[in-house]
Amino acid sequence: EPEVTQTPSHQVTQMGQEVILRCVPISNHLYFYWYRQILGQKVEFLVSFYNNEISEKSEIFDDQFSVERPDGSNFTLKIRSTKLEDSAMYFCASSMGPDARLFFGSGTQLSVL
Amino acid sequence: AQSVAQPEDQVNVAEGNPLTVKCTYSVSGNPYLFWYVQYPNRGLQFLLKYITGDNLVKGSYGFEAEFNKSQTSFHLKKPSALVSDSALYFCAVTARLYGNNRLAFGKGNQVVVIP
Repeated sequence: EPEVTQTPSHQVTQMGQEVILRCVPISNHLYFYWYRQILGQKVEFLVSFYNNEISEKSEIFDDQFSVERPDGSNFTLKIRSTKLEDSAMYFCASSMGPDARLFFGSGTQLSVL
Repeated sequence: AQSVAQPEDQVNVAEGNPLTVKCTYSVSGNPYLFWYVQYPNRGLQFLLKYITGDNLVKGSYGFEAEFNKSQTSFHLKKPSALVSDSALYFCAVTARLYGNNRLAFGKGNQVVVIP
């Protein structure tokens, strides 16, 4: 089965630093997503991306967050100035269409110290 | 707002016994409902979804789920559990309006199948 790849698997950073989480979606997919899960809490929707622009975003996705598809294969999530409460597992996902099944990556565990 | 409740943190079941993982949801309008499974160090994997039609949905690995509109539930079931079914199970909902966007997940249920 095709896979979504996320790197790194673990990222440790200092509060206030910028981080970029990377994802390689499945090659023929057109819709891309970021979700996160704070330890012990629910998996939360952050943002969806289609046709090189954000199609939906949640209240969590404030000005500190941005997404980009810099080339034909990567999909990145940037947090400009990390806060302690940004510590979470971040999942990237992709799908062929707006109603098609999502394929998730194995996640990046972000720890902000 | 949309939300999912998975009331039990952990479900223990003996191998060969029926497995049920409970999920109730809240959404404005018609729901899309999903079950995902997560094995250690892996991403969430799609099991099944309900969009419309037959209330009983069959999915991967022998799992099925029943949509009950009056009880706003979408419980996951398997007639005979295997040790390899031990994993974390997530229920998710979104309003059909959003398609795949804005999935609201539950906290997840750890299923432990005892040999």
